[in-house]
Amino acid sequence: EAGVTQFPSHSVIEKGQTVTLRCDPISGHDNLYWYRRVMGKEIKFLLHFVKESKQDESGMPNNRFLAERTGGTYSTLKVQPAELEDSGVYFCASSQHGQTLVETQYFGPGTRLLVL
Amino acid sequence: GDSVTQMEGPVTLSEEAFLTINCTYTATGYPSLFWYVQYPGEGLQLLLKATKADDKGSNKGFEATYRKETTSFHLEKGSVQVSDSAVYFCALRSTGNQFYFGTGTSLTVIP
Repeated sequence: EAGVTQFPSHSVIEKGQTVTLRCDPISGHDNLYWYRRVMGKEIKFLLHFVKESKQDESGMPNNRFLAERTGGTYSTLKVQPAELEDSGVYFCASSQHGQTLVETQYFGPGTRLLVL
Repeated sequence: GDSVTQMEGPVTLSEEAFLTINCTYTATGYPSLFWYVQYPGEGLQLLLKATKADDKGSNKGFEATYRKETTSFHLEKGSVQVSDSAVYFCALRSTGNQFYFGTGTSLTVIP
């Protein structure tokens, strides 16, 4: 069974440009999560999809970030325009049910974003 | 709000040394607690978890016990190997269903 995949693995862009990150969850997983780790700090929750609906987007830092999950399969996270402080590693995770405290979330390898 | 505080690294140990990585948490209610590990070039993998007080999670020789009285979930391993070199993240999952992670502790094990 394929795991969670993310594309690209690395992205280097200039301030003001736009970047789109993609996440493909494990097949059959309704729940998809985005997280971000800024250098040296904790991994922070950004948002949670259940199928194509945003269940919780309380962690999104500002309106420069737009996440979509059309059709309830893969998800994209667009940053427009990118700022220096957006640099970090963006992780995606998926789980099948998402309704219990004990269910495991499966993480992708992350996308390393550097904004210059 | 809910949060996790874990021991800062980096940590460097010789092979077969004893490992402890401290983790304490703040949470309302009764969270579940997790340790995730990230090997170089890979995503986070669940290492172990505990869902209620006094539960002990264990995997690959690692252990952690959910201590409600000290709000801790310290990770331990009796004898580390070079292959254990990775970044370790302590996390909690709150009743609000969100994950809160610590800052990560980088472990390097030298032969």
